[in-house]
Amino acid sequence: ETGVTQTPRHLVMGMTNKKSLKCEQHLGHNAMYWYKQSAKKPLELMFVYSLEERVENNSVPSRFSPECPNSSHLFLHLHTLQPEDSALYLCASTLGPGTVNTGELFFGEGSRLTVL
Amino acid sequence: DQQVKQNSPSLSVQEGRISILNCDYTNSMFDYFLWYKKYPAEGPTFLISISSIKDKNEDGRFTVFLNKSAKHLSLHIVPSQPGDSAVYFCAASLVNSGNTPLVFGKGTRLSVIA
Repeated sequence: ETGVTQTPRHLVMGMTNKKSLKCEQHLGHNAMYWYKQSAKKPLELMFVYSLEERVENNSVPSRFSPECPNSSHLFLHLHTLQPEDSALYLCASTLGPGTVNTGELFFGEGSRLTVL
Repeated sequence: DQQVKQNSPSLSVQEGRISILNCDYTNSMFDYFLWYKKYPAEGPTFLISISSIKDKNEDGRFTVFLNKSAKHLSLHIVPSQPGDSAVYFCAASLVNSGNTPLVFGKGTRLSVIA
């Protein structure tokens, strides 16, 4: 139990569907992240939120839309995805700015997405 | 261009023997290094870390060695156990860089054979 909870754990969707992934952290952290893990690839950073503001968008297609309503919650809205978007989507958090921060990330268990 | 490289995608070791996982980095500004362990269908979990002011950090069966001049670190697991079978990611960071995220390697899949 890392203190970062992701739902749903598994999601199957068609290319025309709209769905959302949810992440919640109970660690009092100020920065939250979305990562994508595809087979045989390194962890790919998608988005970074710090103090509820998006500070990095790592060239992610617009069919992925993040939302951070408060420092404890992070969403990834999915719309008109492609089969190649099938992957494990990982949420993570860290202490964030204004702290002595080694950058250690605390990950959720991931949401396994399959796009048909 | 990958800043953190794990050149061995996989490694098989017999139970009870030593597992050595290697990691190289290119950015000499990195000052903190971490190893994460990942089981299938789960998120990565922190395993052990080392600051650039040290060359060794030990935690039970796990030891990380850092060679700054070679920009190389390694994770030693001894003795290896079947439960250690997982993917191990090396990561590097700049301490107090705020929200600058960790830079990860591609991972090495360790299989410990009973």
